[in-house]
Amino acid sequence: GAVVSQHPSRVICKSGTSVKIECRSLDFQATTMFWYRQFPKKSLMLMATSNEGSKATYEQGVEKDKFLINHASLTLSTLTVTSAHPEDSSFYICSASGGTVYEQYFGPGTRLTVT
Amino acid sequence: AQSVTQLDSQVPVFEEAPVELRCNYSSSVSVYLFWYVQYPNQGLQLLLKYLSGSTLVKGINGFEAEFNKSQTSFHLRKPSVHISDTAEYFCAVSDRNNQGGKLIFGQGTELSVKP
Repeated sequence: GAVVSQHPSRVICKSGTSVKIECRSLDFQATTMFWYRQFPKKSLMLMATSNEGSKATYEQGVEKDKFLINHASLTLSTLTVTSAHPEDSSFYICSASGGTVYEQYFGPGTRLTVT
Repeated sequence: AQSVTQLDSQVPVFEEAPVELRCNYSSSVSVYLFWYVQYPNQGLQLLLKYLSGSTLVKGINGFEAEFNKSQTSFHLRKPSVHISDTAEYFCAVSDRNNQGGKLIFGQGTELSVKP
């Protein structure tokens, strides 16, 4: 089956610094990638949708200057949390689609802790 | 716009008992329907999906779900659960006509299987 990886799986950073999370599709070309945020005991909140070579489309209420998304190739998308603060601490999950609207594969998630 | 309601936030059940996790959705357009499972600190794994055709859908790990258009429901069932089924379960929908494939998730149901 299709495999999506995320790196790192866990990251701790100091307040005010930036952190980059990578999402890779390992065995298929991902024309679309999605970034979600999940709070403890809560559902997944879609942050943005990115198509390879295009600017990401952000959901309402998500700061695009704070959460920078790049989808430079068909196998890699990155999420950079800029000037992170403790309230940005969360579980970030990416998913990737090869173009079929109902086939979306999820990465294992990245636990971000901002101290 | 679509919305998903999972009627039970927590479902405790004994091992080998049957279980039903309820999901209702609201949408003005036709949708695809999905059930995902999330184990602690992991990403999401697709259990099953309804695209079209037979309203009874069989998935992995012995789970099945039935699409009921008149009741706008997509309840998940398993006739006999195992300890290893303990996890968070998410129901999701996506707009058939939205080629972007955005998923709208329910709040999640925590299934706890006790010996």
